[in-house]
Amino acid sequence: DIVMTQSPLSLPVTPGEPAFISCRSSQSVLHSNGNKYLGWYLQKPGKSPQLLIYLGSNRASGVPDRFSGSGSGTDYTLKISRVEADDVGVYYCMQGLQTPITFGQGTRLEIK
Amino acid sequence: EVELVESGGDLVQPGRSLRLSCAGSGFTFSDYAMSWVRRAPGKGLEWIGFIRSKVYGATTEYAASVKGRFTISRDDSNNIAHLQMNSLKTEDTAVYYCSRWKHVQDHIDAWGKGTTVTVSS
Repeated sequence: DIVMTQSPLSLPVTPGEPAFISCRSSQSVLHSNGNKYLGWYLQKPGKSPQLLIYLGSNRASGVPDRFSGSGSGTDYTLKISRVEADDVGVYYCMQGLQTPITFGQGTRLEIK
Repeated sequence: EVELVESGGDLVQPGRSLRLSCAGSGFTFSDYAMSWVRRAPGKGLEWIGFIRSKVYGATTEYAASVKGRFTISRDDSNNIAHLQMNSLKTEDTAVYYCSRWKHVQDHIDAWGKGTTVTVSS
């Protein structure tokens, strides 16, 4: 199984400041076809998860351009360029390269 | 608008069975794999399994924690997916989310609101 490890697990951020979440996979999620099967999701309090980023760096429809994904191989980063109050919640990375599909432990973003 | 609506969550005793349903609308249901993900209290997201679309053979994959106890099925004529859960354990207590899995790009691109399953005596 591919193990997904996120850091930090807790992230207090001042509004307007940037935030970075790291996700490391135990083996590469880069396929030979060039696709990186890495997605990012946000679960806001009391809500179901929502897709932010797919294939490593593609922003999902309706996601603000403050959110961006980067990385390759086993190391990926989600960047929020300017954090807003509405961004609070738990962020998860997920690999879709092979089953079992696996999620990171989650990173809880809170506003300072 | 894409919508996924789960139903069937309940309080059930250990060892008993329960079936969850997921009704999809606003998209061509038969084109997508359907996946189930759960979140236990105080824990993170856990993928349970999915059923591929008929084009991909409607085959299923499961997490080790539920394999042999849970079964995912689909009824494309009614746009419904089911999660049959047998031999339930207390550790199966969670909010269960139905989700839409996008083939080729291989990620979840839509989620239902979830239904709560509590396994307790």
